[in-house]
Amino acid sequence: KNEVEQSPQNLTAQEGEFITINCSYSVGISALHWLQQHPGGGIVSLFMLSSGKKKHGRLIATINIQEKHSSLHITASHPRDSAVYICAERNIVRGNQFYFGTGTSLTVIP
Amino acid sequence: NAGVTQTPKFQVLKTGQSMTLQCAQDMNHNSMYWYRQDPGMGLRLIYYSASEGTTDKGEVPNGYNVSRLNKREFSLRLESAAPSQTSVYFCASSEPPGNEKLFFGSGTQLSVL
Repeated sequence: KNEVEQSPQNLTAQEGEFITINCSYSVGISALHWLQQHPGGGIVSLFMLSSGKKKHGRLIATINIQEKHSSLHITASHPRDSAVYICAERNIVRGNQFYFGTGTSLTVIP
Repeated sequence: NAGVTQTPKFQVLKTGQSMTLQCAQDMNHNSMYWYRQDPGMGLRLIYYSASEGTTDKGEVPNGYNVSRLNKREFSLRLESAAPSQTSVYFCASSEPPGNEKLFFGSGTQLSVL
C-alpha cells in the first residue's frame, strides 16, 4: 500500500483557473517534497517543506503537520503548467528514504 | 553545472541481454539513488548509496546490481534482462539531511523484448 496518496489522479483546467492538488502522507516524515515531471519525462524539485507554506512565482505549497496533509496550489494556471505533479515524503521511520505518490496529471487548456 | 547526467536515454534489449545504465553528478552529493517508474505506480527505489563505497538494496532490487565507482558515479547493471524490467529508470542524488532536495537525471526508457 502506498503511504503517500495524491488526489486527484487527473485534472483538466481552463487557463487562468486556480488549481489545488492534495497529498496525504504517513507518520515519521522529515520533509515533504513536491516534484514536477514534464511531458518529456524530466523531473524537477519544486518545493521541500517541513512546516508552514512556501511560494515560488505562481506556485504555493502548504503543509499541515497535525493532519499529515499537504497541498500544491497553482494560481492563474497556464498551459505551460501542464505536467505531472508528484508528492514525496522522506520518512525517517522507514529507513530515511523517499516515498512517492503516483502523481497528478494536470492539463491546462488555453 | 550539469547536475545529474544519465545515459542512455533509450535502450531496447532482448530477454537475457545485459546492460549498464550510467549516472554521474557534479554537485558533490553523498547520496545517490536508482528508481524505476512504472505506469500507475510511484517511483520505486531499486538501490541507493549513502556515500562512496556503500550501497544498499531498496524496495525492488531483484535482477539489478549497482556500483558506486566514486563520489560522482553510480551505475546500475541488468545482468540478464527480463520483460518485467521494462520501465523508465531515473538516477537521482540528494543533498545532506536537513536540506535534502532531490535532483534527477533525465531518465532512461528501457524496453525488454
